[in-house]
Amino acid sequence: GAGVSQSPRYKVAKRGQDVALRCDPISGHVSLFWYQQALGQGPEFLTYFQNEAQLDKSGLPSDRFFAERPEGSVSTLKIQRTQQEDSAVYLCASSLVLGVGETQYFGPGTRLLVL
Amino acid sequence: KQEVTQIPAALSVPEGENLVLNCSFTDSAIYNLQWFRQDPGKGLTSLLLIQSSQREQTSGRLNASLDKSSGRSTLYIAASQPGDSATYLCAVTYGTASKLTFGTGTRLQVTL
Repeated sequence: GAGVSQSPRYKVAKRGQDVALRCDPISGHVSLFWYQQALGQGPEFLTYFQNEAQLDKSGLPSDRFFAERPEGSVSTLKIQRTQQEDSAVYLCASSLVLGVGETQYFGPGTRLLVL
Repeated sequence: KQEVTQIPAALSVPEGENLVLNCSFTDSAIYNLQWFRQDPGKGLTSLLLIQSSQREQTSGRLNASLDKSSGRSTLYIAASQPGDSATYLCAVTYGTASKLTFGTGTRLQVTL
């Protein structure tokens, strides 16, 4: 594809609902990253994958957050029993290879609002 | 915890003015530093990447400098234009980790 795409672009959930956010990386990109950006803040790292392997999930804020990339392409970030503090923009990024300094290409984000 | 801070948080300048955005980081053992631009409702666009061994990078009207010893970077924008209005984020990479640690951003508005 032309770039990283994310869906849905906007999601409103009632507190306690489960949500699933999708990321389609650039075709052929090995690495995939998820970041969370609260209002007025910079993005914060959540987790990343190399192909289907989740190499680092140290940024996931709680066990309600779960990410997967079963076939090494599309990734899904799932949030169970959403809370108001989960309201944020969730950004996905991909890079061609896994390496320090490799350019990460970002998607437009999914804006999640938990009521 | 590694922290990245950006000053000012917001800036408004008239068109044509030169300006400097600041970024500071607490842990000087960075691998590289990047400057990104974020437009409302859109993802981040990488502007410049400076390796830890470099002092500066230039692209068009943009110049980014890096001083590892003092834990600082600056983004210089020459002859600002209304189209430069956006939020500018700096991000650092440490060691062998590929993840980015972002600053809080500077929201820039260039007025006519």
